[in-house]
Amino acid sequence: DVKVTQSSRYLVKRTGEKVFLECVQDMDHENMFWYRQDPGLGLRLIYFSYDVKMKEKGDIPEGYSVSREKKERFSLILESASTNQTSMYLCASSLYRGDAYNEQFFGPGTRLTVL
Amino acid sequence: QKEVEQNSGPLSVPEGAIASLNCTYSDRGSQSFFWYRQYSGKSPELIMFIYSNGDKEDGRFTAQLNKASQYVSLLIRDSQPSDSATYLCAVGWVNFGNEKLTFGTGTRLTIIP
Repeated sequence: DVKVTQSSRYLVKRTGEKVFLECVQDMDHENMFWYRQDPGLGLRLIYFSYDVKMKEKGDIPEGYSVSREKKERFSLILESASTNQTSMYLCASSLYRGDAYNEQFFGPGTRLTVL
Repeated sequence: QKEVEQNSGPLSVPEGAIASLNCTYSDRGSQSFFWYRQYSGKSPELIMFIYSNGDKEDGRFTAQLNKASQYVSLLIRDSQPSDSATYLCAVGWVNFGNEKLTFGTGTRLTIIP
């Protein structure tokens, strides 16, 4: 079974803090994704990575950065946390297929609260 | 901008009845379609995918795709209380070799015992 894990289930931080969210997958997937999920807005893509050290902006990258130093690990960084970044953060991974038939597997999520 | 539309619900269905969840998408060239189930406080899990026009059945679940109408649906037969969840429709696409999914906002389904 594909397993995607995230470093924290719940996280509380203060405004202005630097926040790291870690994601690890154990199935040798090339693609990894970070989403945030908010009520009424659905899943929105923040960043994704298709290879080590490669990254692409998603739909809402502002205020975030990412790092992928190893194939199995993809980190989301909030440089200076703000209250509007309070959300559920979901990491996902998928095998590179070169086509659109790519199911993504999700981690358990991190519920981040910024005070 | 690729868009995926779902009725947010809530959709209430009696136990044992058929639940019908609908999704429309904007990009006529879309090739792959996924249904994810998400329980409250949990992450999405894939339950069905469909690539070709017509029906695809898996146990109590049937996915239906009509590319001409840009419409995909999920039917749940013999609905159980454990089916109460939010169902996310997603459309797969490729852009310069990058493989992505665009999600709808989800339909909340409640099965009434």
